[in-house]
Amino acid sequence: KNEVEQSPQNLTAQEGEFITINCSYSVGISALHWLQQHPGGGIVSLFMLSSGKKKHGRLIATINIQEKHSSLHITASHPRDSAVYICAVRGSQGNLIFGKGTKLSVKP
Amino acid sequence: ETGVTQSPTHLIKTRGQQVTLRCSSQSGHNTVSWYQQALGQGPQFIFQYYREEENGRGNFPPRFSGLQFPNYSSELNVNALELDDSALYLCASSLAGGSYEQYFGPGTRLTVT
Repeated sequence: KNEVEQSPQNLTAQEGEFITINCSYSVGISALHWLQQHPGGGIVSLFMLSSGKKKHGRLIATINIQEKHSSLHITASHPRDSAVYICAVRGSQGNLIFGKGTKLSVKP
Repeated sequence: ETGVTQSPTHLIKTRGQQVTLRCSSQSGHNTVSWYQQALGQGPQFIFQYYREEENGRGNFPPRFSGLQFPNYSSELNVNALELDDSALYLCASSLAGGSYEQYFGPGTRLTVT
């Protein structure tokens, strides 16, 4: 079992839909990251959080430390949101431990 | 714009050869981490350097080695390349400390034939 599990692996949505991506982890963490990766490889950090909830534009990230679970929500999805969304937790060496990612495709 | 750059963008090598990948960290960042991302997978931690010393390593063999320079740029060296080394190699820079955000470079796509 991977230390970081994401679901779903693939997600197709219509423009305007509300999207939720889930992340569960099995290790103790100091922080959890949500990242976005576009075709070609570049990774952009969306959120870093250790408790509660953060919001940036149409993106919302929540974390429940007791349940070791985090969610990334996208409101009013748009085709430009199409990307791979990756959850990662910080390991004991300061490195990031990544999930396999959720490939999101938003259709116009 | 994160300020982290990597070179080259793409690289094709033959099995058994050696390769050096380079990363220029974001200004002021003294910690660099390297990750390997196979197709369809999440990135895997290779190692981390802090102030020119390796201070963390993932489950990669010794033929994966690195350097960090006084200006905090870094190199990833891979000897005796194997077909399974074909992947996207990402570096990420950050300030030291467990809670600091990591900034990723665009990656180097390595193909081993």
